[in-house]
Amino acid sequence: AQKVTQAQTEISVVEKEDVTLDCVYETRDTTYYLFWYKQPPSGELVFLIRRNSFDEQNEISGRYSWNFQKSTSSFNFTITASQVVDSAVYFCALTIRNAGNMLTFGGGTRLMVKP
Amino acid sequence: GAGVSQTPSNKVTEKGKYVELRCDPISGHTALYWYRQSLGQGPEFLIYFQGTGAADDSGLPNDRFFAVRPEGSVSTLKIQRTERGDSAVYLCASSFWGGGYNEQFFGPGTRLTVL
Repeated sequence: AQKVTQAQTEISVVEKEDVTLDCVYETRDTTYYLFWYKQPPSGELVFLIRRNSFDEQNEISGRYSWNFQKSTSSFNFTITASQVVDSAVYFCALTIRNAGNMLTFGGGTRLMVKP
Repeated sequence: GAGVSQTPSNKVTEKGKYVELRCDPISGHTALYWYRQSLGQGPEFLIYFQGTGAADDSGLPNDRFFAVRPEGSVSTLKIQRTERGDSAVYLCASSFWGGGYNEQFFGPGTRLTVL
């Protein structure tokens, strides 16, 4: 069975601070995909990034960056120079190749960015 | 183009009643997923369809829950004899199928409240 753990339930920062959201996953499969989703107050899940298990290269997209480390089963998400609009709940998720693509989500981290 | 739509957006019902929740996937998406998100938690998988058939219903909590997708497009999640514990946001997602992983696009959800 797959499991995703987001130990930080809530983080509060002041605008322009950098913040890192942690994600630790468990799976016995060697082929899997990892994701981050954003859920703003409106409630709709917004896809941010997907990584497959064979690609450990870190990725940067604007103020967002992701650090994937198989050695520690972690897929952490960093927001640089946070903004109030970044306030949301962020979910890390996992799926394995032969699982019908259903996602296993972590419990989420609520990020509050204060002006 | 149109995204995934779900109706109603909110549903309030009394304990013991029957409810139906509807999902309209993105046109051309053959895979359709239902998830349930309880307050303060991450979404949990319920069931997914490949075309008209339920390919995996292992996430349905009990036999009061049932879902159909008779024409391979719109899906209806049905809950009989609702209980207060069924209160949650029910999310629907759709995707293409085949050729590795395909991104799931989520709808805005239906918030179900059982009084």
